[in-house]
Amino acid sequence: AQKITQTQPGMFVQEKEAVTLDCTYDTSDPSYGLFWYKQPSSGEMIFLIYQGSYDQQNATEGRYSLNFQKARKSANLVISASQLGDSAMYFCAMREGGTGRRALTFGSGTRLQVQP
Amino acid sequence: EAQVTQNPRYLITVTGKKLTVTCSQNMNHEYMSWYRQDPGLGLRQIYYSMNVEVTDKGDVPEGYKVSRKEKRNFPLILESPSPNQTSLYFCASSSAWTPFYGYTFGSGTRLTVV
Repeated sequence: AQKITQTQPGMFVQEKEAVTLDCTYDTSDPSYGLFWYKQPSSGEMIFLIYQGSYDQQNATEGRYSLNFQKARKSANLVISASQLGDSAMYFCAMREGGTGRRALTFGSGTRLQVQP
Repeated sequence: EAQVTQNPRYLITVTGKKLTVTCSQNMNHEYMSWYRQDPGLGLRQIYYSMNVEVTDKGDVPEGYKVSRKEKRNFPLILESPSPNQTSLYFCASSSAWTPFYGYTFGSGTRLTVV
């Protein structure tokens, strides 16, 4: 079963509007971290925001916020006031605890295009 | 500046010619890892290391070798590259191997094997 699911292959948003990128995850481990990364066309992976499984409040980092709904196992990324420079691929990822290799497992990504 | 440095950024090579992609981090991180990214397959872990002299296989280790002789360096070795190893490669490091720390990624290496 997919551990991280991103159901939106592509999204369009108008400049200055907010956009939500969906992410659901699957784990039975009580300890895990959820991460969002941005990959612009130049290829690098840029860390955006993090949410721990025990965190009570939703994470925020500037224009980025993470809508964490633990019971639904969702961790949606909200970008407020979109800018042209936000056009990129966005990946949701999870890192589990336990005794495993603690790899970062990625979703398939969402390509966001911000239109002027 | 805290960073993970990969070299080279771009590499075109021929089948069978051994190559090494270097990776170095200046954050004193214990955990380091290599990923490859392919269209439609996403990012997949090749190898990882939890500390010096401790390495283990990820999801797609075939055709690759790694070593961790020093904490800061984690080179990826392709002893006999083949065209199916054409990919975008990322080195990444983390300050701990708990789930509550993310990775810092290098800028990536675009490898083409002809």
